[in-house]
Amino acid sequence: GQQVMQIPQYQHVQEGEDFTTYCNSSTTLSNIQWYKQRPGGHPVFLIQLVKSGEVKKQKRLTFQFGEAKKNSSLHITATQTTDVGTYFCAGGQGAQKLVFGQGTRLTINP
Amino acid sequence: SAVISQKPSRDICQRGTSLTIQCQVDSQVTMMFWYRQQPGQSLTLIATANQGSEATYESGFVIDKFPISRPNLTFSTLTVSNMSPEDSSIYLCSVSPTGTYGYTFGSGTRLTVV
Repeated sequence: GQQVMQIPQYQHVQEGEDFTTYCNSSTTLSNIQWYKQRPGGHPVFLIQLVKSGEVKKQKRLTFQFGEAKKNSSLHITATQTTDVGTYFCAGGQGAQKLVFGQGTRLTINP
Repeated sequence: SAVISQKPSRDICQRGTSLTIQCQVDSQVTMMFWYRQQPGQSLTLIATANQGSEATYESGFVIDKFPISRPNLTFSTLTVSNMSPEDSSIYLCSVSPTGTYGYTFGSGTRLTVV
């Protein structure tokens, strides 16, 4: 079945440093979604990418979808303590079903 | 986006018993999804619940263990049956009101089986 691999599993940065998490699918995706889960919370939708090569920005967050629609990345510029949490990518492949990556847990040293 | 009320938020249960988790959505949705999340792990889809038909279960999950009800377009329940400590996990329901864009999750049920 479809697998979505996400790296790194953990990332610890100093506040103000950049952060990137990468997502790779074993199959071509119809879309990819990104979620953030704060410690003790539930996943919260950030964004969806649909088009090949698509790039979207939300303030300090930049999301990319690969040309082959099999990989994606999330880059955070100048991290802040409010960015702490686990970031999940989730690949869509029809029937509204999502397959989640393992997540990247981001911790920040203030 | 939709608002989901999920309960209970947490429970401690004896092995061999069953727990029913409820999710109420503030709008009508075609599909509701049930996930399991082990502490510190990713989300694993248990099943997809459609109103008026049997739920569709993912590999490794069976109806006898995780029966699901979907009596209408705003409500669903997941029962964890004959629980064992291995069932200790966080269970989440999820919906996508638009059908494909931006899934909303319930706040989760933290289940501990002792």
